[in-house]
Amino acid sequence: DQQVKQNSPSLSVQEGRISILNCDYTNSMFDYFLWYKKYPAEGPTFLISISSIKDKNEDGRFTVFLNKSAKHLSLHIVPSQPGDSAVYFCAAKILQGAQKLVFGQGTRLTINP
Amino acid sequence: DVKVTQSSRYLVKRTGEKVFLECVQDMDHENMFWYRQDPGLGLRLIYFSYDVKMKEKGDIPEGYSVSREKKERFSLILESASTNQTSMYLCATRGTGELFFGEGSRLTVL
Repeated sequence: DQQVKQNSPSLSVQEGRISILNCDYTNSMFDYFLWYKKYPAEGPTFLISISSIKDKNEDGRFTVFLNKSAKHLSLHIVPSQPGDSAVYFCAAKILQGAQKLVFGQGTRLTINP
Repeated sequence: DVKVTQSSRYLVKRTGEKVFLECVQDMDHENMFWYRQDPGLGLRLIYFSYDVKMKEKGDIPEGYSVSREKKERFSLILESASTNQTSMYLCATRGTGELFFGEGSRLTVL
């Protein structure tokens, strides 16, 4: 039962353009969402998060949008840079519940020069 | 900066061997986690611990056990390694916010 789904295994974007990574979830109890970035042979690093009381959170080139009615969130990167090439994981949790995060399958983003 | 250190970056073991993966954190965080990462499956939670000597099963605990004797150390144990346990193992810790991950341990079971 995949509660957090990233349906695109890979995405290729031209440098300077916008990258949009998508994530869907099925558990309506999730109220906190995070994006992690992972380079090969390294652990994931936290990128940005959003609480369910918001529909948008922005941090520099990174913006996360949350659509609660559609149970969908997206990560926008603009402008995309070669260093953004990595695997991106979406994750969700219930703030007042168990401490674990549920992760999606990941999307490999490649930024082409 | 939070530092999460995993004892081995790369291991090669034989089927049936006992394997210990160790993780140490330096931030006095209560919560520690073991995940495995496999292509197309993302990160799946094996076990987590919210206090010394406390442990909870995650989504895929079969074939694994854990030990948390000290707050800073969380060990993952494969009692009898099998080829389907070949994977990248990631330890993480959390205080009140997001997870902080170690660099990972890539285990190959032959």
